[in-house]
Amino acid sequence: EAQVTQNPRYLITVTGKKLTVTCSQNMNHEYMSWYRQDPGLGLRQIYYSMNVEVTDKGDVPEGYKVSRKEKRNFPLILESPSPNQTSLYFCASSFLRAFHEQYFGPGTRLTVT
Amino acid sequence: RKEVEQDPGPFNVPEGATVAFNCTYSNSASQSFFWYRQDCRKEPKLLMSVYSSGNEDGRFTAQLNRASQYISLLIRDSKLSDSATYLCVVNLDDGNNRKLIWGLGTSLAVNP
Repeated sequence: EAQVTQNPRYLITVTGKKLTVTCSQNMNHEYMSWYRQDPGLGLRQIYYSMNVEVTDKGDVPEGYKVSRKEKRNFPLILESPSPNQTSLYFCASSFLRAFHEQYFGPGTRLTVT
Repeated sequence: RKEVEQDPGPFNVPEGATVAFNCTYSNSASQSFFWYRQDCRKEPKLLMSVYSSGNEDGRFTAQLNRASQYISLLIRDSKLSDSATYLCVVNLDDGNNRKLIWGLGTSLAVNP
């Protein structure tokens, strides 16, 4: 089954404790992206990658890191989480030729206390 | 002014009703347009693309008005299962940068 998977789905952590949210897709997509979704602010792009070893900042990259060592994986790293990073996070992927057709993972609900 | 604006709703309609949403965009360099659907606490999913000539998919019709810079989504014969948030998305490609601009969404509740 074609899908984007994220883990964990839910996470409660404390300020400053490093965490990684994994994202994996099995559709051979070149493009992968991380978004956060907050009430009243909608979906905002954090980072994106157009291919292996190529990553770029989105609209809200501060406090986040990513890597793209393999085509299928695009982990999101929070080195020192803060309460303002409490949010719903989505990973998405697509073919570059069909950039608009983003396939989203199920989301990770992160709470930082 | 936001790049993509939608009426947040909620739109409360009875089953069988026809409902329409509009979305306006500010950047005339916008290349292509889409509607996504997002169920409560779930991931967004592509509903349909919006073409200049308009397009229809079953009970759903999407239209684009480039002169006035808005797109619309019409849902006929609403079903309970249509209850969701509908996100307007604009693909901006200015030659140097390509990105999707997301609206905040319009909430629809179809009532029995």
